Amino acid sequence: KAGVTQTPRYLIKTRGQQVTLSCSPISGHRSVSWYQQTPGQGLQFLFEYFSETQRNKGNFPGRFSGRQFSNSRSEMNVSTLELGDSALYLCASSSGTGGAWDEQFFGPGTRLTVL
Amino acid sequence: QKEVEQNSGPLSVPEGAIASLNCTYSDRVSQSFFWYRQYSGKSPELIMSIYSNGDKEDGRFTAQLNKASQYVSLLIRDSQPSDSATYLCAVNRVGGATNKLIFGTGTLLAVQP
Repeated sequence: KAGVTQTPRYLIKTRGQQVTLSCSPISGHRSVSWYQQTPGQGLQFLFEYFSETQRNKGNFPGRFSGRQFSNSRSEMNVSTLELGDSALYLCASSSGTGGAWDEQFFGPGTRLTVL
Repeated sequence: QKEVEQNSGPLSVPEGAIASLNCTYSDRVSQSFFWYRQYSGKSPELIMSIYSNGDKEDGRFTAQLNKASQYVSLLIRDSQPSDSATYLCAVNRVGGATNKLIFGTGTLLAVQP
């Protein structure tokens, strides 16, 4: 079974630009969660999508948004980039039907650098 | 108080020894607990999940959960240099069908040959 894929793997942007990251979950999984990882804050939850609907959202500004398509692929968008948005962005795939017992499997991540 | 707390380490153990990694959580209604391993420059990899009080063993790994003490641990037996990584504890709160993992900051494990 293929794992979680994320594209692109690396991105360099400048302040004020916007960026779109993509995630394809494990086949059959319907939930995609997004996390931001930085050295200072660690891994922080951004949002979760299940069956094209946002089910949960973390404490990030509205510049961070996402969506999910009917094939469960998900995208996240960050508008008006700030230097502090430089981070590893990870998506995690799960069945989405196990509630709190769902195991989440991470993709390789997208390393975003904002200059 | 952080929701999930781990000692940042580094925890240094000799090859062949038992490494003991600890994690405490503050939300008493937390239901599920996960251990991830993250090598430098890589993404987290799920090692163990545990949902009930007691021990759960998988190969060289044993997860232990004590909900009364709000404590979860990971034991690695016969530690190998390849086990050197950051170990992340994650907790999923009760709250319906949603998936929201709260992570600790991780413990860096160094296994000395």
